Amino acid sequence: DAGVTQSPTHLIKTRGQQVTLRCSPKSGHDTVSWYQQALGQGPQFIFQYYEEEERQRGNFPDRFSGHQFPNYSSELNVNALLLGDSALYLCASILRGGSNYETQYFGPGTRLLVL
Amino acid sequence: GDSVTQMEGPVTLSEEAFLTINCTYTATGYPSLFWYVQYPGEGLQLLLKATKADDKGSNKGFEATYRKETTSFHLEKGSVQVSDSAVYFCARQETSGSRLTFGEGTQLTVNP
Repeated sequence: DAGVTQSPTHLIKTRGQQVTLRCSPKSGHDTVSWYQQALGQGPQFIFQYYEEEERQRGNFPDRFSGHQFPNYSSELNVNALLLGDSALYLCASILRGGSNYETQYFGPGTRLLVL
Repeated sequence: GDSVTQMEGPVTLSEEAFLTINCTYTATGYPSLFWYVQYPGEGLQLLLKATKADDKGSNKGFEATYRKETTSFHLEKGSVQVSDSAVYFCARQETSGSRLTFGEGTQLTVNP
């Protein structure tokens, strides 16, 4: 049973560039959430995708956007990178309506460094 | 808004000591409560959860009880091991499947 996978594992970008992070949910899961975890802090919710639409959004600027594909995988895009975007980006998946619906399963994360 | 407050860290204990990490949450609605653990260089792993008042979550010797009257969900373990060294996050979720709101995390170091 494949868990949540994310790619790449590490990434280095410079200010002003754009980045795309990818997530494949746990097998059978249809909903993906993205979180940003700055160093030494708890994860902050960015947004959640279900049925290829953004369903919930946290307090992040429009520079952060996403997409969900028909196979339920998802991308997180960040434009015009700032130094403060350096963080661990975590993807979590759930099966909407499943018996364990409240539990989100996390991937290993993508560590982004903006120079 | 929704929030979770964890005791400030870091926490350093000797092996076999008793562990308590305090967590309180804002009292709006009837959230589900979680403890997640993060080992160095890794993502988050669910440690335990409770979905309603007075429920006790337990896993790997860790326990936490959902206390509505004190809006708390403190994590306890009777005898910690070196392998328990990690960062522990308390989290709340307003409705099933919705966003998680995390505390700041508590770094635990267990020395042999």
